[in-house]
Amino acid sequence: GAVVSQHPSWVICKSGTSVKIECRSLDFQATTMFWYRQFPKQSLMLMATSNEGSKATYEQGVEKDKFLINHASLTLSTLTVTSAHPEDSSFYICSAGRDPNNPPLHFGNGTRLTVT
Amino acid sequence: AQRVTQPEKLLSVFKGAPVELKCNYSYSGSPELFWYVQYSRQRLQLLLRHISRESIKGFTADLNKGETSFHLKKPFAQEEDSAMYYCALSAQGAQKLVFGQGTRLTINP
Repeated sequence: GAVVSQHPSWVICKSGTSVKIECRSLDFQATTMFWYRQFPKQSLMLMATSNEGSKATYEQGVEKDKFLINHASLTLSTLTVTSAHPEDSSFYICSAGRDPNNPPLHFGNGTRLTVT
Repeated sequence: AQRVTQPEKLLSVFKGAPVELKCNYSYSGSPELFWYVQYSRQRLQLLLRHISRESIKGFTADLNKGETSFHLKKPFAQEEDSAMYYCALSAQGAQKLVFGQGTRLTINP
């Protein structure tokens, strides 16, 4: 079964509003989780690394004030898209792994965000 | 910089035919290479990783450091192999993954 749960699966919001996406590791503790963005017919682009108890590490070109990441516990990371605009519409995917020294092997089912 | 290239966006083969999905990488250090698969309406999942040297669902991939390649192969394709395949790279001991653009494999009956 799934070991990484992502919620919601899809969300539609109006421009200017904020949307929160949750990523949970179900049967293991994840000190690090990862957030990806995937445009239609394109690859997954890493947005940021979410670190439990500390600030997230953002990739170059990703606005930290726009994409707020909170990793408050060892099983939950949240991504909040603030003041969303239509260009933020995308597929957001999180991942987590049991082993901190190896890439995450488990992915969430993704969240389809549509900003109208 | 780490980079992964999958030159084919689409690949279509007939059932029972051999299939090879190409993956080339660029990285100055010692890489770890992975293949992930995404079946229709399912989440991304790990197919295989080069350090385990396993054969999963009949697929194999060999890391060729000289050619900086990690092509995915299967001798006899099956219809259930139709999916999106992503090659990915990480530095050894690191968690961060860099993905290729993906190849959509279609197996025709």
